[in-house]
Parts: sequence; C-alpha cells; structure tokens
Amino acid sequence: DTAVSQTPKYLVTQMGNDKSIKCEQNLGHDTMYWYKQDSKKFLKIMFSYNNKELIINETVPNRFSPKSPDKAHLNLHINSLELGDSAVYFCASGTGGLGDGYTFGSGTRLTVV
Amino acid sequence: GENVEQHPSTLSVQEGDSAVIKCTYSDSASNYFPWYKQELGKRPQLIIDIRSNVGEKKDQRIAVTLNKTAKHFSLHITETQPEDSAVYFCAVVHTGNQFYFGTGTSLTVIP
Repeated sequence: DTAVSQTPKYLVTQMGNDKSIKCEQNLGHDTMYWYKQDSKKFLKIMFSYNNKELIINETVPNRFSPKSPDKAHLNLHINSLELGDSAVYFCASGTGGLGDGYTFGSGTRLTVV
Repeated sequence: GENVEQHPSTLSVQEGDSAVIKCTYSDSASNYFPWYKQELGKRPQLIIDIRSNVGEKKDQRIAVTLNKTAKHFSLHITETQPEDSAVYFCAVVHTGNQFYFGTGTSLTVIP
C-alpha cells in the first residue's frame, strides 16, 4: 500500500492550460506539502497544509493554488500554465512534529509545451 | 528564513572509498537535521537523521556528524558501492517542522 500517492505521474500540456495534480496519504499525518524540483534538482517548498490550514506559502505565484478537502488529501491546481512551470512536483507528508522525517510521493513530471 | 548550503554539488569516488558531504546552516535555533537520498527518477527518501542534542549517529555504512557551534553537519558514507550513486539532500528543520533543503549533491560511485 503506497503511503503517499500522486497522480498523474506524467503530465504534458500546452501553455495557457489549467491542470491539477492530486495527492493522497494514508499515514494519518497532519501536515502535507508540495515541493517543486527543477532541472537543477533544487527542492523548493511551495505549500504546507496542517489540518487543512495553509501555513507556508513561499512566494509562489497565485496561479498555483492548493486545495485540501481533508487532511489525507492535498491537491495542486495550476492555472494558465507557463513554460517555466515545467518541473517535477513532489507531494510529501509529515506528522508536523520535530524529529520526524517527511515521506515523499513518487512525483509528477509536468512538461509544458 | 534559514540559509542551507551544501557542498560539493557533484562528487565522484571509486568503489570502496569514502564519500563526505557537508552542509552549513545559519539559524542556531535549528534542531533537526535529516538526510535524503534520491535515486534517478525516484522520490527522495530519508536515510539518516540527527537531532541537536547528539553529535554523531551511525547506521551501518552511513553516519552523520553535527557541530552545532560551527553550524555544520556532514554525511559520511564508507565502503561506497555503485548503488550509493544518487543525489543526496541535507535538510535543516526548526520547531514547527519547517524543512529547508540543501541544493543537493550528485554522488557517482565508479565501479
């Protein structure tokens, strides 16, 4: 049973489109995150949700919007996609407690053409 | 926010040799330091971590050392094997579980 699952694994779309990436965790964690990993492998945090409340938003354009229907799900919606949005997006979850590592999802490779 | 620097960005070693990756951080309030391994095309996975009240932790061939005074910590891999080839990320965590990742080190173990 996959602990943190993301769909889709690959997403190719045209500029200007709107797309969503879904994330679900079955670990009972309270906190979920979205990270963007660019071609240089930098892992940059985008959002953090704790019990359905946004607690981090690291200067991400407002074209990106996280949606959390419940604490097991954190979806990422992206409007008006741009070429620079091409990257691998990782969902992760954690307990929110100090000393507990994240569990990452398998990633979604987004390519904007 | 926290500033995490990771060096080197790339590292090649012969199989059987040791590899060392170092991270420095800026905020003395940071108190949890995990390391992640990301194999090609896969997710980052936690391999070892250390808390601020400990100076060293070892798990088989990997170890992490922490110098809180100097604000740096290092990952040590001994007797490297080809399957150790991957990108390694350090992270620095404050209370509240805000993770700040280093920029990654691409390790290649040459058979």
